[in-house]
Amino acid sequence: KQEVTQIPAALSVPEGENLVLNCSFTDSAIYNLQWFRQDPGKGLTSLLLIQSSQREQTSGRLNASLDKSSGRSTLYIAASQPGDSATYLCALEYGNKLVFGAGTILRVKS
Amino acid sequence: GAVVSQHPSRVICKSGTSVKIECRSLDFQATTMFWYRQFPKQSLMLMATSNEGSKATYEQGVEKDKFLINHASLTLSTLTVTSAHPEDSSFYICSASPRRRAGLREQYFGPGTRLTVT
Repeated sequence: KQEVTQIPAALSVPEGENLVLNCSFTDSAIYNLQWFRQDPGKGLTSLLLIQSSQREQTSGRLNASLDKSSGRSTLYIAASQPGDSATYLCALEYGNKLVFGAGTILRVKS
Repeated sequence: GAVVSQHPSRVICKSGTSVKIECRSLDFQATTMFWYRQFPKQSLMLMATSNEGSKATYEQGVEKDKFLINHASLTLSTLTVTSAHPEDSSFYICSASPRRRAGLREQYFGPGTRLTVT
């Protein structure tokens, strides 16, 4: 059974800081991994998708890495802004379904 | 492109009543639709997978007689929570895919429906 853990569960940082969110999984037999953003009471916004053959993806201030052998992915956010405040979820394709982590609640203080 | 809508966005119902949630793909044909449930500060949990014209496949622990899923057309799936109880209060999110086997690259998520059972 695949288990996905996100650490930390919550994070509060001052504006401008660089930060790292972690996602770990127990079975490395995954296809793709994706990071999502979820605003309170809202659906999911896709941030970055890393295919199983890739090691990282970048979009603007966001960089996501994937190390299947160690069962880890990280989401790096550079120069954080108050608008980055949200819950960040990682999800991975495992078998024929998606398995989500519980998320990291990020608050960026101005 | 690839927009998925849900209706209603919020619903409050009394214990014992039934409530229907709609999930629509607006600009593509959704061969497969997924229903997820999310409790506060917890991850999304897959409830069931439905293919157009077929019966839904429910995940272990999800009562199929309580959560009725209908995927009668290529653009619409409905989730009906029957005889709702307060413990059914949750955030329900659907996703849709134009493919029968849908990985992350081909799943598009709706905005979610907040169900509160009083």
